[in-house]
Amino acid sequence: EVQLVQSRAEVKKPGESLKISCKGSGYSFTNFWIGWVRQMPGKGLEWMGIIYPGDSDTRYSPSFQGQVTMSADKSISTAYLQWSSLKASDTAMYYCARRSLGYCSGTSCWSAFDIWGQGTMVTVSS
Amino acid sequence: DIQMTQSPSTLSASVGDRVTITCRASQTISTWLAWYQQKPGKAPKLLIYKASSLESGVPSRFTGSGSGTEFTLTISSLQPDDFATYYCQQYNSYWTFGQGTKVEIK
Repeated sequence: EVQLVQSRAEVKKPGESLKISCKGSGYSFTNFWIGWVRQMPGKGLEWMGIIYPGDSDTRYSPSFQGQVTMSADKSISTAYLQWSSLKASDTAMYYCARRSLGYCSGTSCWSAFDIWGQGTMVTVSS
Repeated sequence: DIQMTQSPSTLSASVGDRVTITCRASQTISTWLAWYQQKPGKAPKLLIYKASSLESGVPSRFTGSGSGTEFTLTISSLQPDDFATYYCQQYNSYWTFGQGTKVEIK
């Protein structure tokens, strides 16, 4: 079964650091981009960025550039999202999602997110 | 940045109703559009990709149409399992989601 399994919920204080994970299985992890999506309480979905585990090529949404760091360890089929100094406004559900192979022409590709993790709830409160 | 605008924000309907949700892009995105369904406390689920292609395992009562800047998701006969929030997403240039449409019981 193709799946992404995320790490458990976290409760942190402002200023603390955090790294959450997303482990893929049932497919070739290195060949598919992994995206991260934020959902603040009661709100919609926001794309944060994406990483290619094969070579750790990473693209960030301008809204999240400099606020988070994405990484991957292909040896254990795991992608990570980390914060160096959490704020209360980082309280949200965070999803990882696999970018499907989609359609490619030359060096450009277009695809949606076909497999999603179950989400990791991050609560930042003093 | 490409902005996505969905309408309506909330839709009240009954089982058996035909339901249509609209999504507009701030610039042309060809057919690089997906629709997702999200239920409370669950991850989003891909329903439609490339504007009108049905994801494997998704019931045929879901259909997507449109190109350019105007897109629709139609549920031909609403079922109890369909009460959820629906999001459109463009992937012409990176990824942007619409604000969501909540389909609730009338």
